[in-house]
Amino acid sequence: KNQVEQSPQSLIILEGKNCTLQCNYTVSPFSNLRWYKQDTGRGPVSLTIMTFSENTKSNGRYTATLDADTKQSSLHITASQLSDSASYICVVSEGYKLSFGAGTTVTVRA
Amino acid sequence: DTGVSQDPRHKITKRGQNVTFRCDPISEHNRLYWYRQTLGQGPEFLTYFQNEAQLEKSRLLSDRFSAERPKGSFSTLEIQRTEQGDSAMYLCASSPRTSGRNEQFFGPGTRLTVL
Repeated sequence: KNQVEQSPQSLIILEGKNCTLQCNYTVSPFSNLRWYKQDTGRGPVSLTIMTFSENTKSNGRYTATLDADTKQSSLHITASQLSDSASYICVVSEGYKLSFGAGTTVTVRA
Repeated sequence: DTGVSQDPRHKITKRGQNVTFRCDPISEHNRLYWYRQTLGQGPEFLTYFQNEAQLEKSRLLSDRFSAERPKGSFSTLEIQRTEQGDSAMYLCASSPRTSGRNEQFFGPGTRLTVL
């Protein structure tokens, strides 16, 4: 069973709207939690990294939150743009080992 | 471009053939990782190098797979006697020695199709 579960599997939103992606994990202990953006056919690119003591981290229109007690994280995308269409992957780090979620595919439509 | 590079970007081969992929990490990154990603899934860890030493191999890495990093710089991943189930994206990542957060930087991947 995957130790990192993401929801929803996919979503479609209109340009300019906001959306929130969810990540639940069972990896313990962990060093940090990351969100990556992966465009089709490309490698993942890091958006945010949070340690267990951090509750939130922003990168432009992307804001990640972390609740280490409930082992949940979310990624909020504000004022979506067409270029936000991609897969967003939640990753939990145990030292050098990364456990990846299956990703949420976001499609932004004009 | 000083990012992680991988070559080739795409490879189509017939079942039973051998293939070799190359990864050039970011200069001075001493840690290098190989991952495999199938459609609709997140990447899965295959193996990890620190300098030229291969420190861990996943059980996913069968005997047909071998990875090397002979001089602690670029790395190669070879798959012998390819099978259709080997079709996937093979990702390479690197991280610097000083990264306490082990931030890994990914290459664009090599897409393998086994016919």
